[in-house]
Amino acid sequence: AQSVSQHNHHVILSEAASLELGCNYSYGGTVNLFWYVQYPGQHLQLLLKYFSGDPLVKGIKGFEAEFIKSKFSFNLRKPSVQWSDTAEYFCAVTPAGSGNTGKLIFGQGTTLQVKP
Amino acid sequence: SAVISQKPSRDICQRGTSLTIQCQVDSQVTMMFWYRQQPGQSLTLIATANQGSEATYESGFVIDKFPISRPNLTFSTLTVSNMSPEDSSIYLCSVRTGVDYTFGSGTRLTVV
Repeated sequence: AQSVSQHNHHVILSEAASLELGCNYSYGGTVNLFWYVQYPGQHLQLLLKYFSGDPLVKGIKGFEAEFIKSKFSFNLRKPSVQWSDTAEYFCAVTPAGSGNTGKLIFGQGTTLQVKP
Repeated sequence: SAVISQKPSRDICQRGTSLTIQCQVDSQVTMMFWYRQQPGQSLTLIATANQGSEATYESGFVIDKFPISRPNLTFSTLTVSNMSPEDSSIYLCSVRTGVDYTFGSGTRLTVV
């Protein structure tokens, strides 16, 4: 069964610092990849997703992620974080193609705290 | 993308009782899922709710504890049975439409 691993559980940054959150998945076939954000007390919100094509995906609020197939990774980046980026970030994966059960599997989540 | 109405939004329940959570979607969807998010943790898939057949449960979740109904393509319920404080969590339904996933607003359950 597929699984998702987020290496950074709790990240603390100062405003304007650069951000990179790691995400690795285990699945041998084609996958669709997602990053979601959950602001305190709010619902899950989609940041960006990758299905095919350009492995560098741009999302909302200045976030981007790069799919590296050989490393089974889909790391999230932002060049300059803001205090308002303080939130929980979740990486998620679902098999694509013939292995597609539709199930979206989430990583453990990373808590990002941005200090003003 | 689909719009999901999930209710109740929150509840406080006595241990040993059951709570049924409803999820209504504004369009017909084939794939519907139920997740649990325990305090400070990630989302864990409970089951896939199949229309016209029994739900498919993930490891660690059983039908007796989390019975699911899916009477049609726009509606599903999840029941948390014989609750204990360990069941205190946020429960979310989710649907897949095309390549996108939509999540309900969640039900925050506290068992006392």
